[in-house]
Amino acid sequence: AQRVTQPEKLLSVFKGAPVELKCNYSYSGSPELFWYVQYSRQRLQLLLRHISRESIKGFTADLNKGETSFHLKKPFAQEEDSAMYYCALSSTGGFKTIFGAGTRLFVKA
Amino acid sequence: NAGVTQTPKFRVLKTGQSMTLLCAQDMNHEYMYWYRQDPGMGLRLIHYSVGEGTTAKGEVPDGYNVSRLKKQNFLLGLESAAPSQTSVYFCASSSLGQGANEQYFGPGTRLTVT
Repeated sequence: AQRVTQPEKLLSVFKGAPVELKCNYSYSGSPELFWYVQYSRQRLQLLLRHISRESIKGFTADLNKGETSFHLKKPFAQEEDSAMYYCALSSTGGFKTIFGAGTRLFVKA
Repeated sequence: NAGVTQTPKFRVLKTGQSMTLLCAQDMNHEYMYWYRQDPGMGLRLIHYSVGEGTTAKGEVPDGYNVSRLKKQNFLLGLESAAPSQTSVYFCASSSLGQGANEQYFGPGTRLTVT
């Protein structure tokens, strides 16, 4: 079955500390993985996708096919990173997307 | 460009009432989607459309109907609202081809059914 699991509902870190939001997936095929972010009072938007291998706002995510994981990392968290983060999966070239339950990140001053 | 817009932003319904949520996009996207967002459950796909005049069921379609009479609009209907349909509803769209799996979201509609 296709599934995206985000084991942490809430993650709280201090400003300047490293942060890692975990994402594991189950998919029989070649998936594309994404991280979407929803800041307070803003709409959900794409943060990054694994195929682009970019660093967006200091965040990176590496697809580990062996561990079926796509964890989101940032070495030094900022208060403005506080938001809801969703890991998502779709088939390569597909259009339907499966979202995880989301992790709320709270960065404390 | 306005992107994806949703009407209304908020609504309170009584059990048994009906309503229609409107989604509009000005990006000429082929694909459109309706999701519901509930705490601890993430976004779940209600219905989707791969083009004008076509719709399909998603993960949680019961109690909802949709229509895509025009390419830019995707309507979500609740015929007889139930408290279990209290949620935040998001519309999204995506383009054909390589960009098909990057979704653009609307601001959401917060629906409360009492």
